[in-house]
Amino acid sequence: QQQVKQSPQSLIVQKGGISIINCAYENTAFDYFPWYQQFPGKGPALLIAIRPDVSEKKEGRFTISFNKSAKQFSLHIMDSQPGDSATYFCAAPLIAGGTSYGKLTFGQGTILTVHP
Amino acid sequence: EPEVTQTPSHQVTQMGQEVILRCVPISNHLYFYWYRQILGQKVEFLVSFYNNEISEKSEIFDDQFSVERPDGSNFTLKIRSTKLEDSAMYFCASSGDRANQPQHFGDGTRLSIL
Repeated sequence: QQQVKQSPQSLIVQKGGISIINCAYENTAFDYFPWYQQFPGKGPALLIAIRPDVSEKKEGRFTISFNKSAKQFSLHIMDSQPGDSATYFCAAPLIAGGTSYGKLTFGQGTILTVHP
Repeated sequence: EPEVTQTPSHQVTQMGQEVILRCVPISNHLYFYWYRQILGQKVEFLVSFYNNEISEKSEIFDDQFSVERPDGSNFTLKIRSTKLEDSAMYFCASSGDRANQPQHFGDGTRLSIL
């Protein structure tokens, strides 16, 4: 079964610090890698996504870095704020048999707590 | 900003009963999905739907599950005879005119089976 492995499971950061969450995948076929942010009682909200033809994408305080050779991608949250406290999921539309209909395989999630 | 809406937000059902979860995807999207999340676990894919038919389904999506797009706006998930282990959050998602575009999720329906 296709896997996306996410770490760490939980992360505590002081306000103003940098939060880094990592994901590794096992397949080589993909179209994009999204990161989702989930607050309690809410659905996953699309935060930022990267295509495999770029190594980095930045949107405000959020940056995705992508290492194709290592099959890893990571989320960096600069100047972390208490309002960033949430669960973060990486995901990948892993392809089996050369075909993808968009099925996302999610990582296990990282619970981020930013202390004021 | 357009969003995916799901109803009800919470559904409590007796084991063995049928339940229908409803979703209104973003209006110009063509690809539709259902996922579920058991409490404290990761989000799991159930089924994808395009051009009025199922395009992919997981091993979780057995004969007790079905999906339908009864009109131009709604997308439903039916569980025919619910089991205790069906208790979870169910999320609907949609994406645009190609399969591998970022998916947008609703806030989910919490399904509790008694």
